[in-house]
Amino acid sequence: DIQMTQSPSSLSASVGDRVTITCRASQGIGNYLAWYQQKPGKVPKLLIDAASTLQSGVPSRFSGSGSGTDFTLTISSLQPEDVAIYYCQKYNSAPWTFGQGTKVEIK
Amino acid sequence: QVQLVQSGAEVKKPGASVKVSCKASGYTFTNFYLHWVRQAPGQGLEWMGIFNPSVGSAVLAQKFQGRVTMTSDTSTSTVYMELNSLRSEDTAVYYCARALPAYISAFYYWGQGTLVTVSS
Repeated sequence: DIQMTQSPSSLSASVGDRVTITCRASQGIGNYLAWYQQKPGKVPKLLIDAASTLQSGVPSRFSGSGSGTDFTLTISSLQPEDVAIYYCQKYNSAPWTFGQGTKVEIK
Repeated sequence: QVQLVQSGAEVKKPGASVKVSCKASGYTFTNFYLHWVRQAPGQGLEWMGIFNPSVGSAVLAQKFQGRVTMTSDTSTSTVYMELNSLRSEDTAVYYCARALPAYISAFYYWGQGTLVTVSS
């Protein structure tokens, strides 16, 4: 099975900072990569699919890039409401594996 | 609007079974795959399997083969996930999630989650 590895596992940044999370697949997955945001005590929410397509209603400070094995989620200007755990997920084939998550906090 | 409403929290003893339901509304039930995902306390998301309501078939993660059964009732637009031989490490929040009308799809809508606690 393809493994999904996120880095870092956690980060602390100041409001307004640019934040980058990376996700690496152990084999190529094309652009079949999604990013989810899970706020404390809440249900995961789809932010981005097809590696870079922002879902309706998601703030434009979020962006995704990459293809093949290396992907990036960027928050251009971190806001307090962005405190959450972010997960990448491959969906090109079974199993629909998630990365281990990246916890984003405010410094 | 699309809604996935799951059954309430359960407390089970080790060795028992649990059946979690996910009632769909706001769309044509048989046109969309449904997935099950679980999250142990303080842990990440773990994919369990995908269910095709139009034919009533499932593909399960290897870890859950032989222990998980997915079924549906099309008359009530409800999907069920039954997990057998429960152990303490099965304590988790279980989510159903809806994809697009395609096998290759991310998860666009999620149920509210069902907490299953396994404790003697």
